[in-house]
Amino acid sequence: AQSVSQHNHHVILSEAASLELGCNYSYGGTVNLFWYVQYPGQHLQLLLKYFSGDPLVKGIKGFEAEFIKSKFSFNLRKPSVQWSDTAEYFCASKERAAGNKLTFGGGTRVLVKP
Amino acid sequence: NAGVTQTPKFRVLKTGQSMTLLCAQDMNHEYMYWYRQDPGMGLRLIHYSVGEGTTAKGEVPDGYNVSRLKKQNFLLGLESAAPSQTSVYFCASSSVNTEAFFGQGTRLTVV
Repeated sequence: AQSVSQHNHHVILSEAASLELGCNYSYGGTVNLFWYVQYPGQHLQLLLKYFSGDPLVKGIKGFEAEFIKSKFSFNLRKPSVQWSDTAEYFCASKERAAGNKLTFGGGTRVLVKP
Repeated sequence: NAGVTQTPKFRVLKTGQSMTLLCAQDMNHEYMYWYRQDPGMGLRLIHYSVGEGTTAKGEVPDGYNVSRLKKQNFLLGLESAAPSQTSVYFCASSSVNTEAFFGQGTRLTVV
């Protein structure tokens, strides 16, 4: 069965520090990959997505992610975080061969200290 | 443009009661999903649908039923609520070439 793993459950860092969140997926076929963010008390919002083409994807709010097919990874990065980036981040994969079943990782809570 | 709308937003049930959560989308998406979100467990897929009249089980389907009689609506039913079903429920929809769009969530408490 398809699965998505996020390496860190909690990350604490200071403003201006760089952020990298790991994500690995298990399915070897055609997948679409996503990063979502959830601010406290809100629903999920899309940060960025990968369907095909350039494996380096740029999203909103200065986030980017790199798709590395050989490593089944889709890590999220931001060079310099702000206090407003405090949120929970979810990696997700959509498995085309299984009716576009959308599977999420367990999430990473990021706390940015001012 | 409403996107994905969930009703109700909050609900308190007694153990053994039943209820239906409604998800409606106005984007003509083929695929619809129901998730539950619990602290430390991310989003877990309950059921999903690949089109009108179809449903499929996700990771945690027990205790839930779904129906998709119309393309724009996806209903999640709890026949006999249990405290373990206390959670935040999210509905989402997508097409084959888009990301999933999420509703605002339903906070359900079963006492």
